Amino acid sequence: QVQLQESGPGLVKPSETLSLTCTVSGGSISSYSWNWIRQPPGKGLEWIGFIYYSGSTNYNPSLKSRVTISLDTSKSQFSLKLSSVTAADTAVYYCARRSGHWFDPWGQGTLVTVSS
Amino acid sequence: QSALTQPRSVSGSPGQSVTISCTGTSSDVGGYNSVSWYQQHPGKAPKLMIYDVSERPSGVPDRFSGSKSGNTASLTISGLQAEDEADYYCCSYAGSYTYWVFGGGTKLTVL
Repeated sequence: QVQLQESGPGLVKPSETLSLTCTVSGGSISSYSWNWIRQPPGKGLEWIGFIYYSGSTNYNPSLKSRVTISLDTSKSQFSLKLSSVTAADTAVYYCARRSGHWFDPWGQGTLVTVSS
Repeated sequence: QSALTQPRSVSGSPGQSVTISCTGTSSDVGGYNSVSWYQQHPGKAPKLMIYDVSERPSGVPDRFSGSKSGNTASLTISGLQAEDEADYYCCSYAGSYTYWVFGGGTKLTVL
């Protein structure tokens, strides 16, 4: 059974770059599409972007200029970088596998707070 | 403001049925049979409940069902149980520019 686990700093300063990693276990990362989704406190979900096992990526147009998603198949990991963060980027960040047009499973999520 | 519109809250008594709506446009919900629904308990990750409008993943009770008419998708939960109390989010594919959009979430209260 595939499991995903996010890791990374819980606090990032404004204008800096948020960096998170998702480790995939129990299955191969060399297939499917691997996604990042976030949820600001008390708010709804927002799709950030994905990377295919081939390395191709696509991002939410509203975040595209600041987002980079990369893949390390040797470590069964994929990563998110979000630059020039502001308080509006404070959220729980989830990684998730996508099959077709649905997301399953999800990681447990990690809270990232943007504050000085 | 979320791309898909859901009621902020719905409620029902144990054993009753409730329906949660998810309204979009012809560019997302109405344009594709690619609506999914997620259940989220407080402090937990979302869990897939319905995909492709009306398909249920293995392990999801058949009390959960999905449908779509025009630009509105719906999640119906029949035979409400206490453990169904959670937030529910809809999601739709929206084409190869926007990709996926979510609703703002609906809080289900089991009275």
